[in-house]
Amino acid sequence: GDSVTQMEGPVTLSEEAFLTINCTYTATGYPSLFWYVQYPGEGLQLLLKATKADDKGSNKGFEATYRKETTSFHLEKGSVQVSDSAVYFCALRGTQGGSEKLVFGKGTKLTVNP
Amino acid sequence: DAMVIQNPRYQVTQFGKPVTLSCSQTLNHNVMYWYQQKSSQAPKLLFHYYDKDFNNEADTPDNFQSRRPNTSFCFLDIRSPGLGDAAMYLCATSTRLTGREQYFGPGTRLTVT
Repeated sequence: GDSVTQMEGPVTLSEEAFLTINCTYTATGYPSLFWYVQYPGEGLQLLLKATKADDKGSNKGFEATYRKETTSFHLEKGSVQVSDSAVYFCALRGTQGGSEKLVFGKGTKLTVNP
Repeated sequence: DAMVIQNPRYQVTQFGKPVTLSCSQTLNHNVMYWYQQKSSQAPKLLFHYYDKDFNNEADTPDNFQSRRPNTSFCFLDIRSPGLGDAAMYLCATSTRLTGREQYFGPGTRLTVT
């Protein structure tokens, strides 16, 4: 079945550092890929998405490119802020039966220190 | 703004005492989901509705039930909460269109005493 493997944290960075969180997937066909962010005590918020190969999703300085050849969707940000401290989930939505469902990675906790 | 609303945000119940969590949406989405999320884990899908078509996950305990009386509302019933059911419960909505994201509510934090 479909699966997502995500870099496990926690990740601790200083403000203005470069961020990469790795995400790779296994799926048949061409799934849609998502990054969600969860701040403490809150629900998940969609950060960005990509629905086909070579698409780049971007939002709030975060970017991720759908790489079909490496089955990856790594999250990057050039300069993190303290307010980016949160848990980040990579997820996919498949194209086969049960495609209403999201398959999540385990999540990566990011802490940004001033 | 269109949104997903969950009430209450915090719920305390006693061991074995039935509890109901509610979710409403103004997005007019035909798919609604219930997730359980424990500390430091990814959300775990309990079940989802496509319109009135109920889809239970194979490993969801019988203790968890759901109702969807109309498009806008969905309820999660825990018939006899145990200590292990203490968690954050997340409601989400989506459409069945390919590639569409899920929209999550803020969650209900359930404590079982």
